[in-house]
Amino acid sequence: RKEVEQDPGPFNVPEGATVAFNCTYSNSASQSFFWYRQDCRKEPKLLMSVYSSGNEDGRFTAQLNRASQYISLLIRDSKLSDSATYLCVVFHTSGTYKYIFGTGTRLKVLA
Amino acid sequence: EAEVAQSPRYKITEKSQAVAFWCDPISGHATLYWYRQILGQGPELLVQFQDESVVDDSQLPKDRFSAERLKGVDSTLKIQPAELGDSAMYLCASSSFSGRYNEQFFGPGTRLTVL
Repeated sequence: RKEVEQDPGPFNVPEGATVAFNCTYSNSASQSFFWYRQDCRKEPKLLMSVYSSGNEDGRFTAQLNRASQYISLLIRDSKLSDSATYLCVVFHTSGTYKYIFGTGTRLKVLA
Repeated sequence: EAEVAQSPRYKITEKSQAVAFWCDPISGHATLYWYRQILGQGPELLVQFQDESVVDDSQLPKDRFSAERLKGVDSTLKIQPAELGDSAMYLCASSSFSGRYNEQFFGPGTRLTVL
């Protein structure tokens, strides 16, 4: 079992739709959580850190459920420009500082 | 805005040749990472430096890969000899752990094609 698991998709949604991605992690000692966005053939870029109380940035909302060990990303009013791969990243300090990446979820927003 | 620099952006080489990639992290970031990303997968850690010291190279194929960060600033990743299976994006990232949430910042990557 992978330490961080995501549904690879693709998720094909129409413009204006609401779409949600989930990510599960296996290490209960994980301390920090992030969503990164990666465009095709580009580097990952930080989209949001995920706070324990949940957080929102415009059309994007991230939630953390430590009891069930999953994080989620909700995108409202999808835009064509949201088409990308969304990487779930978990950080923990078991021995060394380590970031563990999921395989990413592909999103395609259709006109 | 400070950025992680990498060069070259693209590299095409023949198998059995040597290649080298360079990374300059964000100024002041003590931790530097080299990742390999194969299409359709997430980045996989190859090596992690804390200042000039290697703290994790458990996934680095040491028979052909080497990495150094001699002065604790910029870093070089080398592959010798390159194999067909090494074709991938090589990403460098840095972080400072100065904040609560420990964000990691990536360079633009080097796309390696081995023929």
